[in-house]
Amino acid sequence: EAQVTQNPRYLITVTGKKLTVTCSQNMNHEYMSWYRQDPGLGLRQIYYSMNVEVTDKGDVPEGYKVSRKEKRNFPLILESPSPNQTSLYFCASSSIQGYEQYFGPGTRLTVT
Amino acid sequence: EDQVTQSPEALRLQEGESSSLNCSYTVSGLRGLFWYRQDPGKGPEFLFTLYSAGEEKEKERLKATLTKKESFLHITAPKPEDSATYLCATDSWGKLQFGAGTQVVVTP
Repeated sequence: EAQVTQNPRYLITVTGKKLTVTCSQNMNHEYMSWYRQDPGLGLRQIYYSMNVEVTDKGDVPEGYKVSRKEKRNFPLILESPSPNQTSLYFCASSSIQGYEQYFGPGTRLTVT
Repeated sequence: EDQVTQSPEALRLQEGESSSLNCSYTVSGLRGLFWYRQDPGKGPEFLFTLYSAGEEKEKERLKATLTKKESFLHITAPKPEDSATYLCATDSWGKLQFGAGTQVVVTP
């Protein structure tokens, strides 16, 4: 089954404690992206990657890091989380030509 | 500055009552415009991609159209299962910008 998986699905952490949210896709897609979704603000792009070792900033990259060492994985790293990073995070992937983005189930992060 | 604005914010329809959702955009270097559907607590689900002004795409009761400044999602004779938040997004070569969405509720 074609899918994008994210882990963990729910996470409660404290300010400053480094964390990683994993994202993996099994569709051999070149393009992957991270978004955060907040009430009233909609989905905002954090980082995206057009292929392995190629990453670019989206609209809200501050406080986040990403890496794309393998085609299937695109982890999101919060080196020092703060309460304003409390949000619902989605990972997505697509083939460049196909354009149809498949979204993961989301990770609900709470930073206290 | 690039901007994507959706209207209305919310829409309540009777079953069978057709309506349209609007997505207006100011984006430099537009490569494509997407429509997604999102159910509560889930990730967005792809509906359409539109590439050029004048293009139209249809899927069941949904039809998307595109002009140089806006896109419309027409819902014809909606059913309760069409209740969802509908999102539009613009793509500038990998950089995506989403609107805030239109929440649609269809009552029997």
